[in-house]
Amino acid sequence: SQQGEEDPQALSIQEGENATMNCSYKTSINNLQWYRQNSGRGLVHLILIRSNEREKHSGRLRVTLDTSKKSSSLLITASRAADTASYFCATDKGNNRLAFGKGNQVVVIP
Amino acid sequence: KAGVTQTPRYLIKTRGQQVTLSCSPISGHRSVSWYQQTPGQGLQFLFEYFSETQRNKGNFPGRFSGRQFSNSRSEMNVSTLELGDSALYLCASSPDTGSYEQYFGPGTRLTVT
Repeated sequence: SQQGEEDPQALSIQEGENATMNCSYKTSINNLQWYRQNSGRGLVHLILIRSNEREKHSGRLRVTLDTSKKSSSLLITASRAADTASYFCATDKGNNRLAFGKGNQVVVIP
Repeated sequence: KAGVTQTPRYLIKTRGQQVTLSCSPISGHRSVSWYQQTPGQGLQFLFEYFSETQRNKGNFPGRFSGRQFSNSRSEMNVSTLELGDSALYLCASSPDTGSYEQYFGPGTRLTVT
């Protein structure tokens, strides 16, 4: 079954720097989504990008999708301490059954 | 609108017991999905309900079951608990089935001793 896989899995950066995470998957998808999770709490939806889209922006977030390479990237610009969290990509075939990657732990140092 | 709520937030059970977890979706959302999160396996899809019908089921044993009521509220049940069932159980709702972002609740932390 398809599953997102993030790379790198742990990232430590200074406040104000940019953070980039990558995600790869194995089969065709309808859309790919990114979520954030703080300290084992519920997931917060960040952005959804459909298979016919190449790039999407939301505030300080920029997501790209390359369906030919089956990969996506999440860029957080001008990071803040509050961005410290785990970030997950999840693929969706269009049936609400999300397949999550292992997650990317990001620590933003003030 | 109020977010997704899950009850209880924490639960401690003994091996062999059964447990029922509850989820109330965002008002107007008809799809409810359940996920299990463990350090070893990560986030895994359990099942999805839409209009009181199970639409999708993940690769979990039959001890895991669920249902959805006419008001879209959902429950999941785990029977004959095992130590490996200790996990964070997350419920998510979306307006409809297919191609929508999902809104997650805070989760129920289940510990099996």
